[in-house]
Amino acid sequence: DGGITQSPKYLFRKEGQNVTLSCEQNLNHDAMYWYRQDPGQGLRLIYYSQIVNDFQKGDIAEGYSVSREKKESFPLTVTSAQKNPTAFYLCASRTLGGFDEKLFFGSGTQLSVL
Amino acid sequence: DQQVKQNSPSLSVQEGRISILNCDYTNSMFDYFLWYKKYPAEGPTFLISISSIKDKNEDGRFTVFLNKSAKHLSLHIVPSQPGDSAVYFCAASLTGNQFYFGTGTSLTVIP
Repeated sequence: DGGITQSPKYLFRKEGQNVTLSCEQNLNHDAMYWYRQDPGQGLRLIYYSQIVNDFQKGDIAEGYSVSREKKESFPLTVTSAQKNPTAFYLCASRTLGGFDEKLFFGSGTQLSVL
Repeated sequence: DQQVKQNSPSLSVQEGRISILNCDYTNSMFDYFLWYKKYPAEGPTFLISISSIKDKNEDGRFTVFLNKSAKHLSLHIVPSQPGDSAVYFCAASLTGNQFYFGTGTSLTVIP
């Protein structure tokens, strides 16, 4: 089945630790995105990438890093510089060009601080 | 600054009645609008979209209306069903590069 796979479903981070959230898609989509959701807030864009080896900062990129070495994969690293990392993280992808512009989302990763 | 706003955090509707969810935006350059449905601890799923060249789009029980002069869109669900109970997010896009999401409206359909 085609889709977006995020892992793990739940992740715990200790103080000063970097953690990496995985996002893989087999939809052959060009663009991939990372969003953060906090209670009572909308989805806020962290980073996005429209092509391999290129990515752009979103509205809240501080304390996060990404890579796009393969078209199918867009991992997000939450660094120790991110002081409030507890949130629900969503990965999304979409094709570029054409008329179908909608985002497809993975099932999310809940990150909590120990 | 929030470019897409959903001013009603929650809405309760009787089963079989109409649900109307509202969304306002500030950037008149947005050219594509979407509605997503989300259950707790899951990713949002796409419901319906509308291009800025249209003022209405319908898909089964779901209809989205766009009023560009008022910078307002709404989602109508008729008839509402208990399975429609979820959080609904509206989103707007500018040339498809970035998507801006509202804060969501939690819909409860009462059997």
